[in-house]
Amino acid sequence: RKEVEQDPGPFNVPEGATVAFNCTYSNSASQSFFWYRQDCRKEPKLLMSVYSSGNEDGRFTAQLNRASQYISLLIRDSKLSDSATYLCVVNRGSSNTGKLIFGQGTTLQVKP
Amino acid sequence: EAQVTQNPRYLITVTGKKLTVTCSQNMNHEYMSWYRQDPGLGLRQIYYSMNVEVTDKGDVPEGYKVSRKEKRNFPLILESPSPNQTSLYFCASSRQGPAYEQYFGPGTRLTVT
Repeated sequence: RKEVEQDPGPFNVPEGATVAFNCTYSNSASQSFFWYRQDCRKEPKLLMSVYSSGNEDGRFTAQLNRASQYISLLIRDSKLSDSATYLCVVNRGSSNTGKLIFGQGTTLQVKP
Repeated sequence: EAQVTQNPRYLITVTGKKLTVTCSQNMNHEYMSWYRQDPGLGLRQIYYSMNVEVTDKGDVPEGYKVSRKEKRNFPLILESPSPNQTSLYFCASSRQGPAYEQYFGPGTRLTVT
């Protein structure tokens, strides 16, 4: 079993749709959680950090469920420009350890 | 402009010929790391450095070496490259560690024949 698992997709959705991705992690000691966006084999860029209380940034909402060990990303009113691969990232262990674990990514294609 | 730079961006080499991929950041970041990205496997951490002269293995360190003699530079060394090291490599840095936003370089596409 992978330490961080994501459904690779692709998710094909029409413009304006709401789409949700989940990511599960296996290390219950993990402290830090993130969603990164990667366009077409370019460098990943931080989309948002995921906090215990959940957080929202415009059309994007991220949530953390520690009991079930998963994080989620919700995108509302999808735009063509949202087409990308979304990477779930978890810091293994405490925030003082140096290891980051990436999921293999979920590909989103938003169609006109 | 705040950035992470990598060189070269593209490299084709032959088995066994030592090579170095450079990584440099101008943000005075303490934490730097190297990843490789392969289809179906995602990004996997090779090595990381919490600060100058402090380096540690990630999940796939075999066949790689790193050094951190200065804060801004974190070169990746392949002493004897093999075809299974053909991959897309990313360097990243962050202010203090993995709990902070990672800034990635543009990537280095390496092919070993």
